[in-house]
Amino acid sequence: EDQVTQSPEALRLQEGESSSLNCSYTVSGLRGLFWYRQDPGKGPEFLFTLYSAGEEKEKERLKATLTKKESFLHITAPKPEDSATYLCAVQAGGYQKVTFGTGTKLQVIP
Amino acid sequence: DAGVIQSPRHEVTEMGQEVTLRCKPISGHNSLFWYRQTMMRGLELLIYFNNNVPIDDSGMPEDRFSAKMPNASFSTLKIQPSEPRDSAVYFCASSVRQGDNQPQHFGDGTRLSIL
Repeated sequence: EDQVTQSPEALRLQEGESSSLNCSYTVSGLRGLFWYRQDPGKGPEFLFTLYSAGEEKEKERLKATLTKKESFLHITAPKPEDSATYLCAVQAGGYQKVTFGTGTKLQVIP
Repeated sequence: DAGVIQSPRHEVTEMGQEVTLRCKPISGHNSLFWYRQTMMRGLELLIYFNNNVPIDDSGMPEDRFSAKMPNASFSTLKIQPSEPRDSAVYFCASSVRQGDNQPQHFGDGTRLSIL
């Protein structure tokens, strides 16, 4: 069974204080790893897809990286508007089914 | 472009009543997914459709839950009879066929409270 573990569960940063969120996964035949952002009262919003170890994607202050066992979401000089829950999800094998982690709740203090 | 549209946004009803949640996927997307989100269990896939056909319903918790997709632009998730433990946020998502690992795009959910 595919497993996705995210850490930490919650993270509080000062504005401008860079950090990383972790997503560890156990799957058979990774086809894609997805990062989403979820704001309170909203659905998850797609950020990135990573397909293979060594791949990196960037968007504004966010950078996602992938190894064979985990993915990191690096947040550089975060702003209060980056506060949200960040979800990681994996798709494996020949299936469309995607397994989500339970997320990291990020709070950025001005 | 219009995203995934879900209705109602909030539903409060009494135990034993029938509940119907509705979803309109993004035009041109041919895969549709229903999820349930709770604090304890996070996002759980209930069922998904390809080209209006149910492919995997192994996440549907009980026979009280059923889902239909009569056409490419509409799907329903029905709970009958509802129970307090069904209280959660239910999300619908759509994507193009995931042969190319396309991401799922989510609606803003239906917050369901069963009293």
